[in-house]
Amino acid sequence: NAGVTQTPKFQVLKTGQSMTLQCAQDMNHEYMSWYRQDPGMGLRLIHYSVGAGITDQGEVPNGYNVSRSTTEDFPLRLLSAAPSQTSVYFCASSYGGGSTDTQYFGPGTRLTVL
Amino acid sequence: GNSVTQMEGPVTLSEEAFLTINCTYTATGYPSLFWYVQYPGEGLQLLLKATKADDKGSNKGFEATYRKETTSFHLEKGSVQVSDSAVYFCALSEVTGNQFYFGTGTSLTVIP
Repeated sequence: NAGVTQTPKFQVLKTGQSMTLQCAQDMNHEYMSWYRQDPGMGLRLIHYSVGAGITDQGEVPNGYNVSRSTTEDFPLRLLSAAPSQTSVYFCASSYGGGSTDTQYFGPGTRLTVL
Repeated sequence: GNSVTQMEGPVTLSEEAFLTINCTYTATGYPSLFWYVQYPGEGLQLLLKATKADDKGSNKGFEATYRKETTSFHLEKGSVQVSDSAVYFCALSEVTGNQFYFGTGTSLTVIP
């Protein structure tokens, strides 16, 4: 099992550019989520999905879109990048999204927006 | 609302010292509580968890007890090693499990 994989590992964008951060898991997990990690802020939830075709907003959803067409993949789209979106992005998955479930994290994508 | 507050870092300890990282929480219901660890350049991984009051989670010599009366989940280890150097995050999951809330993280450096 590869677990949770994320691509790319590093990305530099110019303001206004768009891009998609990829996330995939091979554990057949129903629940997937995206976080951003900023200094002094910990991890903040951007969007999450409890299964294919179902997504919902987290704490900081503005500027980000998601979709979940398959169980395995949960891409995060930045439609028009802004410097405030400079951060490290983590994708995570868990079996059923229950409150006791362990989340498995990917290695992260470090994004810089100039 | 739900939130997690953990002690500010960074924390620097000598090898074999005792470690405590404080964590308190605010929750609207009866959450599950977690400690995650992040080693340099990696994603977070679960260290331990507790799902109800008075439960004790333990792993790799680390322990934390779910204290409902003080809304706390402090992380402890009796004798730290250099390999324990990492960032530690306290987190809670609400009853529905759809959202997780993380503290700001505490950086630990253990020196030989």
